[in-house]
Amino acid sequence: KAGVTQTPRYLIKTRGQQVTLSCSPISGHRSVSWYQQTPGQGLQFLFEYFSETQRNKGNFPGRFSGRQFSNSRSEMNVSTLELGDSALYLCASSLGRRGGFSSYEQYFGPGTRLTVT
Amino acid sequence: GENVEQHPSTLSVQEGDSAVIKCTYSDSASNYFPWYKQELGKRPQLIIDIRSNVGEKKDQRIAVTLNKTAKHFSLHITETQPEDSAVYFCAATAQGAQKLVFGQGTRLTINP
Repeated sequence: KAGVTQTPRYLIKTRGQQVTLSCSPISGHRSVSWYQQTPGQGLQFLFEYFSETQRNKGNFPGRFSGRQFSNSRSEMNVSTLELGDSALYLCASSLGRRGGFSSYEQYFGPGTRLTVT
Repeated sequence: GENVEQHPSTLSVQEGDSAVIKCTYSDSASNYFPWYKQELGKRPQLIIDIRSNVGEKKDQRIAVTLNKTAKHFSLHITETQPEDSAVYFCAATAQGAQKLVFGQGTRLTINP
């Protein structure tokens, strides 16, 4: 099976702009989670989508939003970019079925490196 | 709120020796505990996980133990090799959901 893919891999934006990142999960996986990785804060959970519905949300401002399509692909949007948004954004996919521990296994994509100047 | 503490932040061992990384979690509802290995410039890779109904799990040179009473779990790597050098992250589910809370990571260096 093909792994999790993310596009674009690198992005440079200026403050105030907005950005959209894309994530394609492993075939058959219906849950997509997004994480922000920075050297200082580590891996921080942003949100998780399952069957086009946001099931869980982390402690990030409303400028961070996401959605999931019927084919399980997910997009993440950040509006009004700030310098502190510079980070590696990782998505992870899992089966996501309720009940059963196998649904928890999350597999990460390569990430999108966002630089805000 | 949910929190996962990971220690040590850096660990250096001689090739062939064992390495142990420890994590403590705060959410008593956590029921799934994965470990990820991240090499420089690469994605985190799931290397082993343990469920709340199991106390120990082994996979070749790596093992994970879980103590639910004390709310801590550990990663053990035996007969370390240079390719084990990486950053290792522990994580725990929050409130039994798909959300993973990660520890701050341990940079493991294997000295030849």
